[in-house]
This record gives sequence, C-alpha cells and structure tokens, in this order.
Amino acid sequence: ELKVEQNPLFLSMQEGKNYTIYCNYSTTSDRLYWYRQDPGKSLESLFVLLSNGAVKQEGRLMASLDTKARLSTLHITAAVHDLSATYFCAVDKWGGGSEKLVFGKGTKLTVNP
Amino acid sequence: GAVVSQHPSRVICKSGTSVKIECRSLDFQATTMFWYRQFPKKSLMLMATSNEGSKATYEQGVEKDKFLINHASLTLSTLTVTSAHPEDSSFYICSARRGYEQFFGPGTRLTVL
Repeated sequence: ELKVEQNPLFLSMQEGKNYTIYCNYSTTSDRLYWYRQDPGKSLESLFVLLSNGAVKQEGRLMASLDTKARLSTLHITAAVHDLSATYFCAVDKWGGGSEKLVFGKGTKLTVNP
Repeated sequence: GAVVSQHPSRVICKSGTSVKIECRSLDFQATTMFWYRQFPKKSLMLMATSNEGSKATYEQGVEKDKFLINHASLTLSTLTVTSAHPEDSSFYICSARRGYEQFFGPGTRLTVL
C-alpha cells in the first residue's frame, strides 16, 4: 500500500526565514505533485515533478524529487505572509484500472510578520 | 487552459434529501474524473474514480448507493448524495485528468441540517 508522509504537519515561520517541507513515499513512483490550499478553497497546483533529480522553482518556492530516496522537498526561501497556506504533496498510484493520487496529510504553514 | 468548475459551490439541505453536484471540465475533455471528500483540517480522501461511459470505481468503504456518480459525457461528471444526513456534511472536490495531471474544481461545501 502506498503511503505518503509529510513533515512537519505544522510549521510556524518568521518572515524572511528559510525552511523545507519533506514528503516521503513508500513505493516506487515517477511522478510527484505539490499543491497549495488556502482556507475554504480548493487545491492549486504548484509543481509537477516527473523524474529523478527534477527541480522546479516558482518565486520563493522550489521543489525537488529524489526517486531513489522516495523523497521530495519543498523549500521556502525568505518567507512572506502570503505563503501562509496548507501544502500537500501527492504521488501517483496505479489501481482499479486508473492512476490516482495519494495525498500526504498536508503541512499547515503560518508565516508571521 | 485546464479549468474545472463545480456547481453549486455551497449547498444547505435538510436531512433525507438528495443533492447533486456537477463537475465540468471547461476547456478540455476528460475521460477520467475523480471525486474527493475533505473533512476540516484533513487531507483529501478519494471517494471514486469516474470514467466516461462506464461505471465509477469506488474506494473501499465508500457506499455506492449513497454516493451516485454519473459520467455521461467527456466534460461532465455528477455526484449525487442520496438521502443525505448530517454526517455527509463535508467539502467535496472533483478533479479531471488531462495527461498525467489532475486539475481540481473549486469545491462544493455541503451542509446537511
């Protein structure tokens, strides 16, 4: 059974600081996704990582994937208040005739002034 | 591109009534759509995979007769919550697959009184 674990689950940061969110998964998968969710809203796609060694950056967020270690990281650089949200990673799983996503529990990020 | 809509965004109903939620892919055709449920401060839980022109595949523990899914066209899937009860109150999110990505709708908040 594919399990996806994120840590930390809660993260309180000061503006301007750097931090990393980790996403571990238990079985082989070549695709990993990062999403952002604001309170009361649906998911917003941040990154799609398709291969080992993939690195993508958008603004203050950078995501990477190590398929051998089954690990993805989401690095936050010089955090700002607008980054406060819950971040989910998800991994593709094949089952029931279709690929489906298995989500981590999410990391609630709070950036304090 | 890759916009998914849901309707309604919010619904309040009385216990025992049925509620239909629509999920539409606006600018692409989606053979496969997914229905998720999210409890407050929790991750997304996949309820079922909806395939155009065939029966939906339900995840373990999800009642097929309670959560009726119809995927009658390549741009529309519907979820009907039958004989709703307060414990069915939740945030329901659909997604549509295009290629290797899922694109998420804005969600429907269901409150059953």
